[in-house]
Amino acid sequence: GAVVSQHPSWVICKSGTSVKIECRSLDFQATTMFWYRQFPKQSLMLMATSNEGSKATYEQGVEKDKFLINHASLTLSTLTVTSAHPEDSSFYICSASVRGTSYTGELFFGEGSRLTVL
Amino acid sequence: AQTVTQSQPEMSVQEAETVTLSCTYDTSESNYYLFWYKQPPSRQMILVIRQEAYKQQNATENRFSVNFQKAAKSFSLKISDSQLGDTAMYFCAFMKQITGNQFYFGTGTSLTVIP
Repeated sequence: GAVVSQHPSWVICKSGTSVKIECRSLDFQATTMFWYRQFPKQSLMLMATSNEGSKATYEQGVEKDKFLINHASLTLSTLTVTSAHPEDSSFYICSASVRGTSYTGELFFGEGSRLTVL
Repeated sequence: AQTVTQSQPEMSVQEAETVTLSCTYDTSESNYYLFWYKQPPSRQMILVIRQEAYKQQNATENRFSVNFQKAAKSFSLKISDSQLGDTAMYFCAFMKQITGNQFYFGTGTSLTVIP
């Protein structure tokens, strides 16, 4: 149980276009979902925290208007990279916590989505 | 602010041998959780082991165990009987109990198990 799935796993787009990445909790309800960005051979950097039905909380330095996060249901969160540029190329990972275990660290990660902006 | 430090960017170990990965952290919190996550080449993060700060007993999960030294703010991971499938990036992570789920990750240690 506790499977988190991301789609697409790899996307290539032209500079200036927008890309949407989906994160789904397949067999549980996710109270909170987190979006991370990971550069090659580096750690995960938290971008934002999203709670179902409310606005996402962005980390300092993350552009809210560029990285739009929507958490419309307890099983789906989306990250939209708007007007993507080559510097947005990265590996994006979502994670989710199981409802009722927010304070026990039960955090499950998606497979990640590699974005390449040409 | 919380910081997590992994001072070993790369490590290698012979198959069947034991290896220890280091992690130190800095926090003023008294209640928190510590984790080791594994990221294999497939890139999906997998939980290896978890430790609650209020527990003095070190956590163990099969071949994986931790040495948690709260006063020293140290949280090392020992992998016994290393297997080829253990080859991965290992991240140490810290979570404040009061906020829940906001993880602070270390920079990672790339472990290679040599056949």
